[in-house]
Amino acid sequence: RKEVEQDPGPFNVPEGATVAFNCTYSNSASQSFFWYRQDCRKEPKLLMSVYSSGNEDGRFTAQLNRASQYISLLIRDSKLSDSATYLCVVTTGTASKLTFGTGTRLQVTL
Amino acid sequence: EAGVTQSPTHLIKTRGQQATLRCSPISGHTSVYWYQQALGLGLQFLLWYDEGEERNRGNFPPRFSGRQFPNYSSELNVNALELEDSALYLCASSLSVRGRGYTFGSGTRLTVV
Repeated sequence: RKEVEQDPGPFNVPEGATVAFNCTYSNSASQSFFWYRQDCRKEPKLLMSVYSSGNEDGRFTAQLNRASQYISLLIRDSKLSDSATYLCVVTTGTASKLTFGTGTRLQVTL
Repeated sequence: EAGVTQSPTHLIKTRGQQATLRCSPISGHTSVYWYQQALGLGLQFLLWYDEGEERNRGNFPPRFSGRQFPNYSSELNVNALELEDSALYLCASSLSVRGRGYTFGSGTRLTVV
């Protein structure tokens, strides 16, 4: 079983739609959680950290459910510029090594 | 503030040769991480260096090696190149503080022919 699993998509949504991605992780000892965004042929960039209490950054809302070991990302009012691959990321143990999911591709259309 | 810089941007090598990739972290960052991203695949962890020491290693053969210099810059060496080593190699740096994300460089695209 992969450490971090994501639905690869693609998710094709119209501009203005709300879209949600889920991610599950296998290690209950995982401690830190992030969402990264990766544009085609570019490096991943940190989108937001994910906290147990849930957190919001503009149109983006991240949630963590430790009991079920999943993380979610909600994007409201999707923009064309949101088209990218969204990577779910966790850290486990004392090492600060990040483990990446394979990503969920989002395509926002007119 | 300068970000993470990697060189070269592109590298073409022949099977069996050696490749050397370089990374300079953000000023003040002591940890450097190397990842491999093959086409269509996720990021695979290669190596983690902190304060000049190798702290962790991913599931890669010994022909993947590296080092970190006193100024915290890092080098990744890949010996006896194979065709399947063709990938985007990403370097990232952080402050080694748990809970902080990484900042990535723009990567070196290695092509083995």
